[in-house]
Amino acid sequence: SQQGEEDPQALSIQEGENATMNCSYKTSINNLQWYRQNSGRGLVHLILIRSNEREKHSGRLRVTLDTSKKSSSLLITASRAADTASYFCATARSSGAGSYQLTFGKGTKLSVIP
Amino acid sequence: NAGVTQTPKFQVLKTGQSMTLQCAQDMNHEYMSWYRQDPGMGLRLIHYSVGAGITDQGEVPNGYNVSRSTTEDFPLRLLSAAPSQTSVYFCASSPRVGSFTDTQYFGPGTRLTVL
Repeated sequence: SQQGEEDPQALSIQEGENATMNCSYKTSINNLQWYRQNSGRGLVHLILIRSNEREKHSGRLRVTLDTSKKSSSLLITASRAADTASYFCATARSSGAGSYQLTFGKGTKLSVIP
Repeated sequence: NAGVTQTPKFQVLKTGQSMTLQCAQDMNHEYMSWYRQDPGMGLRLIHYSVGAGITDQGEVPNGYNVSRSTTEDFPLRLLSAAPSQTSVYFCASSPRVGSFTDTQYFGPGTRLTVL
């Protein structure tokens, strides 16, 4: 079953605006990760936030995590046309024997209009 | 480093045919996994491996087999292809089995169509 659910499913903004995507999940996690996928390509890791962290920054990216609400948000500031892609959240949880599984949401498709 | 490589990039099969999707990584990663991506469904885990000779099932394992005889290679076998297996398949690897915070490195994907 899908652990993470992104919202909105699609988002269209003008270049220079900020883009906010949300992710909700169902069970306890070790960490939550955000990935980007350009059309027809594989996923690329963007940022990871641990379950004991509340906020993290990386360049123009800001991620927040609220474990009490089981939700996370990804903010991309000053968006560029090159940010056009699908964005996925993924939750990491133990699968036993010292290993883990990543469970991905359905993604948010971001379009940045020049 | 080539990273994670997948072959073929595209494949068309007829129902009932079998084939193997290849995945290789040259980063000496312990953990490797296979996902399928369907429209509107995100990525779903098929099988994963924590090292040579050790594999386990993910969320959607039926119809697929895996093996891991070396650290580098993790092939995915479709035993008898069905139209429901039409999808884009991604292989991924990460450095350490026990580290939840290691990120995954994805291959470019194989687009499979089953007629």
